[in-house]
Amino acid sequence: GAGVSQSPSNKVTEKGKDVELRCDPISGHTALYWYRQRLGQGLEFLIYFQGNSAPDKSGLPSDRFSAERTGESVSTLTIQRTQQEDSAVYLCASSLQAPDTQYFGPGTRLTVL
Amino acid sequence: QQQVKQSPQSLIVQKGGISIINCAYENTAFDYFPWYQQFPGKGPALLIAIRPDVSEKKEGRFTISFNKSAKQFSLHIMDSQPGDSATYFCAALDSSYKLIFGSGTRLLVRP
Repeated sequence: GAGVSQSPSNKVTEKGKDVELRCDPISGHTALYWYRQRLGQGLEFLIYFQGNSAPDKSGLPSDRFSAERTGESVSTLTIQRTQQEDSAVYLCASSLQAPDTQYFGPGTRLTVL
Repeated sequence: QQQVKQSPQSLIVQKGGISIINCAYENTAFDYFPWYQQFPGKGPALLIAIRPDVSEKKEGRFTISFNKSAKQFSLHIMDSQPGDSATYFCAALDSSYKLIFGSGTRLLVRP
């Protein structure tokens, strides 16, 4: 079946604007994760959804970051009032359920000018 | 406590050689240790993983060695090929089911 998909693949925005990044997990996967990968660095956990449980938001770097998930499908990561330090690749992953293997999407490359 | 330290940052190996990447952790609650391979412009893909109740796991040319007492684990790529050139990340799963990633190793296998 199809893997994890993310859109857009690239996003260029101006400092101060809001952006929305979308993730479509693998069908049937109840767990969904967002990570941030800065240039040349490892992945940094942001937030994780498991079914109908309250999300684990412990990795969100500031209150400008938020994420939603509709049931067990699409998730949207929103960054408000973007800053240059938000420039990174944002990766989404899904798993059948936590803590099963996480499958990653191709990421959204965000550039804040 | 939540860190996973990975080395080296970059590695150059001749075709046919052995590539070795090392990781160390502090949190003894970690109980699942995957390795991911990432090609440019792609998301990471699971390569091989191990749980702390075994000391070694081999899948084809890829082997994980795990030393629970030293809190270290390593990836060995035997007979390295140019197609193995990629960035490799070790990771550890914490008790909240979050993956904690190492900083990555950029591997280049010369023909």
